[in-house]
Amino acid sequence: AQSVSQHNHHVILSEAASLELGCNYSYGGTVNLFWYVQYPGQHLQLLLKYFSGDPLVKGIKGFEAEFIKSKFSFNLRKPSVQWSDTAEYFCAVNVNRDDKIIFGKGTRLHILP
Amino acid sequence: NAGVTQTPKFQVLKTGQSMTLQCAQDMNHNSMYWYRQDPGMGLRLIYYSASEGTTDKGEVPNGYNVSRLNKREFSLRLESAAPSQTSVYFCASSDRAQMGPLHFGNGTRLTVT
Repeated sequence: AQSVSQHNHHVILSEAASLELGCNYSYGGTVNLFWYVQYPGQHLQLLLKYFSGDPLVKGIKGFEAEFIKSKFSFNLRKPSVQWSDTAEYFCAVNVNRDDKIIFGKGTRLHILP
Repeated sequence: NAGVTQTPKFQVLKTGQSMTLQCAQDMNHNSMYWYRQDPGMGLRLIYYSASEGTTDKGEVPNGYNVSRLNKREFSLRLESAAPSQTSVYFCASSDRAQMGPLHFGNGTRLTVT
């Protein structure tokens, strides 16, 4: 069965620091990959997605992610975080021929002003 | 454009009571989903429906039933609520054919005492 692992449960950074959140999935076939963000008190919204093509995907608010097939990874990055990036971040995976979308346990990011 | 509408927003049940969570989307999406969100557990898929008339089990289906009444509506039923079902429930929909992201409702906070 497909699964998603997010290594960092809670990350604390200062403003302007660089960010990388890890995401690994377990499935050997074709996958679609997503990062979602949940700001306090809100529901999830899409940051970026990978379906095919260029493995480096750019999303909203300066986020990007790189799909490395050989490592089964889809890590989220941002060169310089802001206080407003404080939120919980979720990686999700979908197997191409199925509608099932599975989420990781999330990473809570706290940015110090 | 309402998007995904969930009702109720809050509910308190006693152990053994039953209830149905309602979800409707007005985006003409084929795929609909029910997730539960618990602290430290991320979002876990309960059931999903790839199209009208079809439903499939997700990661944690025990204790729940679903109905895809038509293309717009996807309800989640708890036949005999248990304290372990205390959670925040999110309905979501997507246009999988167009590789669209999940659109989430605002959630239902359920407490079972």
